[in-house]
Amino acid sequence: DTGVSQDPRHKITKRGQNVTFRCDPISEHNRLYWYRQTLGQGPEFLTYFQNEAQLEKSRLLSDRFSAERPKGSFSTLEIQRTEQGDSAMYLCASSRQMIQETQYFGPGTRLLVL
Amino acid sequence: AQKVTQAQTEISVVEKEDVTLDCVYETRDTTYYLFWYKQPPSGELVFLIRRNSFDEQNEISGRYSWNFQKSTSSFNFTITASQVVDSAVYFCALSVFADNFNKFYFGSGTKLNVKP
Repeated sequence: DTGVSQDPRHKITKRGQNVTFRCDPISEHNRLYWYRQTLGQGPEFLTYFQNEAQLEKSRLLSDRFSAERPKGSFSTLEIQRTEQGDSAMYLCASSRQMIQETQYFGPGTRLLVL
Repeated sequence: AQKVTQAQTEISVVEKEDVTLDCVYETRDTTYYLFWYKQPPSGELVFLIRRNSFDEQNEISGRYSWNFQKSTSSFNFTITASQVVDSAVYFCALSVFADNFNKFYFGSGTKLNVKP
């Protein structure tokens, strides 16, 4: 299997700018997840898609964040009007739709907001 | 509420030493899954193992072994004869079924430094 891929791997932006990240899951996986990881912490759940439907959003996902998975394949995560507090690693994971599911993670996009 | 605690923030060992990474979890669910992931400096979380709550058998895979004890809500990870390539941050995670999907809760990670 080709693993989960994310693009870009690194992003530096100025406060107030919009940024968009892309995630390509493992091809036969219909579940896709976004997580945020800050320094010294474990990943925190942001949102979840089953096929193209966004079924769950964390309270961490403010109104400035939006995620899409238009055709049930790749997904995008957009942050509008970025703030310095948005600086983090954004991780994408995918899994099959199974009772015992293992989430497989991509390499992440490291965002720095100046 | 679900919670995973990895009390060891950072551990340093010399190559060939054995090292155990601790993980304690909290959940009221009777069905759950426990995971260990490795995060090398490149950033990608690499899946190592999954156990379900009904299977307390310990597992060994090469130099890696896992000790699951429901009585103490622990799922500890031991690396035998550590190597420099084992240097990474290791995360323990708990997964419970809620809102029609398996939600993951991660600990804060243990950074393992293996020195030559």
